[in-house]
Amino acid sequence: ETGVTQTPRHLVMGMTNKKSLKCEQHLGHNAMYWYKQSAKKPLELMFVYNFKEQTENNSVPSRFSPECPNSSHLFLHLHTLQPEDSALYLCASSPLGQRGYQETQYFGPGTRLLVL
Amino acid sequence: AQKVTQAQTEISVVEKEDVTLDCVYETRDTTYYLFWYKQPPSGELVFLIRRNSFDEQNEISGRYSWNFQKSTSSFNFTITASQVVDSAVYFCALSEGSNFGNEKLTFGTGTRLTIIP
Repeated sequence: ETGVTQTPRHLVMGMTNKKSLKCEQHLGHNAMYWYKQSAKKPLELMFVYNFKEQTENNSVPSRFSPECPNSSHLFLHLHTLQPEDSALYLCASSPLGQRGYQETQYFGPGTRLLVL
Repeated sequence: AQKVTQAQTEISVVEKEDVTLDCVYETRDTTYYLFWYKQPPSGELVFLIRRNSFDEQNEISGRYSWNFQKSTSSFNFTITASQVVDSAVYFCALSEGSNFGNEKLTFGTGTRLTIIP
């Protein structure tokens, strides 16, 4: 049983649509992340949130808009996407740890997105 | 800049054989962390192990073992007596010591392991 859930698991959308991806973690963590996994490319970090505050935006286009209303929920709002945005979008969460100590990130099952 | 290289794109072995997945990393930091994750066809990344740069002790967990060699910047993963359920994509990842424990992970491109019955 996973502590990080994502919905929907699969999504097909046109380039003019607006949709949202949802992530929820049940692990009591305070940091949440969005990653993008494209075919034959390494996972790319998109956004990081600590205690609901965005601390990293890894040069992500504005057509991706994250939202973190609380430490347990994370959304990724999508609008006017391009076909090259088709990928597996993975959410992760971790505790916030001490200075210099990297916490383990736990991942959800992902949303497989196809943009037509 | 940090980098992770998994040179083996795909590996196939017959069930019950041993298999080693290679991971070579680059970092300028003296404090860093290495991870292995498993991604089965369902898509979820399953955490397997975390190792920090000050702990070079090898680790064994059941049929899984990890060999951390700072001298060669490698963190290899061995599965003994492989099983069909081990078929998945395996990712090695690296992060450097952070302020709040939430430094980004730099992933390798993954190794697709297929266990043939």
